[in-house]
Amino acid sequence: GAGVSQTPSNKVTEKGKYVELRCDPISGHTALYWYRQSLGQGPEFLIYFQGTGAADDSGLPNDRFFAVRPEGSVSTLKIQRTERGDSAVYLCASSLMRGETQYFGPGTRLLVL
Amino acid sequence: AQSVTQPDIHITVSEGASLELRCNYSYGATPYLFWYVQSPGQGLQLLLKYFSGDTLVQGIKGFEAEFKRSQSSFNLRKPSVHWSDAAEYFCAVGVRNNDMRFGAGTRLTVKP
Repeated sequence: GAGVSQTPSNKVTEKGKYVELRCDPISGHTALYWYRQSLGQGPEFLIYFQGTGAADDSGLPNDRFFAVRPEGSVSTLKIQRTERGDSAVYLCASSLMRGETQYFGPGTRLLVL
Repeated sequence: AQSVTQPDIHITVSEGASLELRCNYSYGATPYLFWYVQSPGQGLQLLLKYFSGDTLVQGIKGFEAEFKRSQSSFNLRKPSVHWSDAAEYFCAVGVRNNDMRFGAGTRLTVKP
């Protein structure tokens, strides 16, 4: 069966540009999570969706980061005015519902020059 | 707030030797605990999880972990390591599997 997919797998952009990262969760999973993993660190929680709504966005570092999940399936993480410090691997995970095991995608490696 | 400490940044073991990766957590209530493995270029894969019940948890690939409340620990073990086990291992603590906090990871190298 299909797992969590993320596109693109790699993204190189210039400082100040806008980027969108896409996550396609496992079909039927209502909960979706975004994490950021910097070099040499564990994943850091960004935001959690239950259905279409962001149930917890306490991990978003600042207002340059925004995420949507308009139809309760695919989610897009949006980063405005990118900074070099945003360079990291952005991971998406989904679970059948809140409280169930999270399954991770392969991540998008973002490099801001 | 919950937090996770993995004291060992890098561990090297010989193939066939036993393995123990340490994990200590900080959380006020009974935690949900997880071990994930991440191979180069791969996503995080769940090895095992503890929610409640038996404190010795069996996982995939021959791994097990023991929850010790008195020591706030959830160490991962494997009796005989295979070369394919070389990877990065992450311990995580969660509240109802939401908002997981991960440790910084332990990189495992396996010597032939």
